[in-house]
Amino acid sequence: SQKIEQNSEALNIQEGKTATLTCNYTNYSPAYLQWYRQDPGRGPVFLLLIRENEKEKRKERLKVTFDTTLKQSLFHITASQPADSATYLCAPEDNAGNMLTFGGGTRLMVKP
Amino acid sequence: NAGVTQTPKFQVLKTGQSMTLQCAQDMNHNSMYWYRQDPGMGLRLIYYSASEGTTDKGEVPNGYNVSRLNKREFSLRLESAAPSQTSVYFCASSARLGAETQYFGPGTRLLVL
Repeated sequence: SQKIEQNSEALNIQEGKTATLTCNYTNYSPAYLQWYRQDPGRGPVFLLLIRENEKEKRKERLKVTFDTTLKQSLFHITASQPADSATYLCAPEDNAGNMLTFGGGTRLMVKP
Repeated sequence: NAGVTQTPKFQVLKTGQSMTLQCAQDMNHNSMYWYRQDPGMGLRLIYYSASEGTTDKGEVPNGYNVSRLNKREFSLRLESAAPSQTSVYFCASSARLGAETQYFGPGTRLLVL
């Protein structure tokens, strides 16, 4: 069955550094993948969508890559700020091609 | 433009009690979803509605029922609550199924004693 893996341990980085979060998926090949941000006590908020024919997608300080050979997506935040502290969820398309399947999320802590 | 709204924000139930979680969206979206989120488990899909008049089971539908009342509203009902249903419930909507952005509500925190 399909499996989505994100590092469950929190990622702690210093302000100004680049944060890199990893999303690995197994047993299938999604045609697209989304990333969401979730703050404590709130619902997830959409950040970026990347399709299988796109190697990289950028939006301001955010960059997402999608390596269909490695079955992995990387999410980068450059020049990180304390306001970037949140949990980031990876959500590939499911193997039926209709829905999103969410990973458990990685908590990012940016220290000033 | 409120987006996706959910009521109530918090609820405490005793085992065996029933309740309905309400969700409404004002974005004229066709598709709506109910998820539950538990620590370390991520978001799991309970039920979804691809369009008005249709509903389908997701990954964890047991113990729940849904109603797509109209295009705007999608409710989730717990007929006989169990402690295993203690969770945070999120409603979401999207323009349609597939590679579409989902917009989430603020969530309902449910505790079943």
